[in-house]
Amino acid sequence: DGGITQSPKYLFRKEGQNVTLSCEQNLNHDAMYWYRQDPGQGLRLIYYSQIVNDFQKGDIAEGYSVSREKKESFPLTVTSAQKNPTAFYLCASTPDRGLSFADTQYFGPGTRLTVL
Amino acid sequence: AQSVTQLDSQVPVFEEAPVELRCNYSSSVSVYLFWYVQYPNQGLQLLLKYLSGSTLVKGINGFEAEFNKSQTSFHLRKPSVHISDTAEYFCAVTKPWGGSEKLVFGKGTKLTVNP
Repeated sequence: DGGITQSPKYLFRKEGQNVTLSCEQNLNHDAMYWYRQDPGQGLRLIYYSQIVNDFQKGDIAEGYSVSREKKESFPLTVTSAQKNPTAFYLCASTPDRGLSFADTQYFGPGTRLTVL
Repeated sequence: AQSVTQLDSQVPVFEEAPVELRCNYSSSVSVYLFWYVQYPNQGLQLLLKYLSGSTLVKGINGFEAEFNKSQTSFHLRKPSVHISDTAEYFCAVTKPWGGSEKLVFGKGTKLTVNP
């Protein structure tokens, strides 16, 4: 079955540590996205990538970094510069980089990050 | 900048009752509109979308939504809800020409269906 996998499902980290969240898709989609979800806040865009080796900042990129070395993978690193990293992180993809945000987004199951 | 307002943060209903989840957007140009559903501790999945054409859009699980350009609304409805419809629902808007026009989400409406 095609889809998006995110790992781990739950992640705990100590303050001051960097942590990397995995996102892999086998849908052959061009574009991939990272969102952060906080209770009562909806989804906010962190970074997105419309093509391999290229990515753009979203609305809340500070304290995060990404890479897109392969079409199927878009890992997100939460750095120690992110002041309030505890949240639910969602990865998504869309088939056509030309349509990008206008296309249906396919979401992974999410990673819940808790800073201790 | 575009914005989406979901007027109710929580909607409790009884099983088999009708439900309407309200969504208003702000945009002076053509828009694409989406409703996504999120079950507890899961990702989002598309319920339905409006791109163009008929203003009444039918989606999965018996949901439908009506695009009203004059009122800039895209309310979601279901005539008879089930316990399994308990979830959070998100309305989202973007512009039709894609590219770098981002998808803007509302803050969500938690629907709780009680027996």
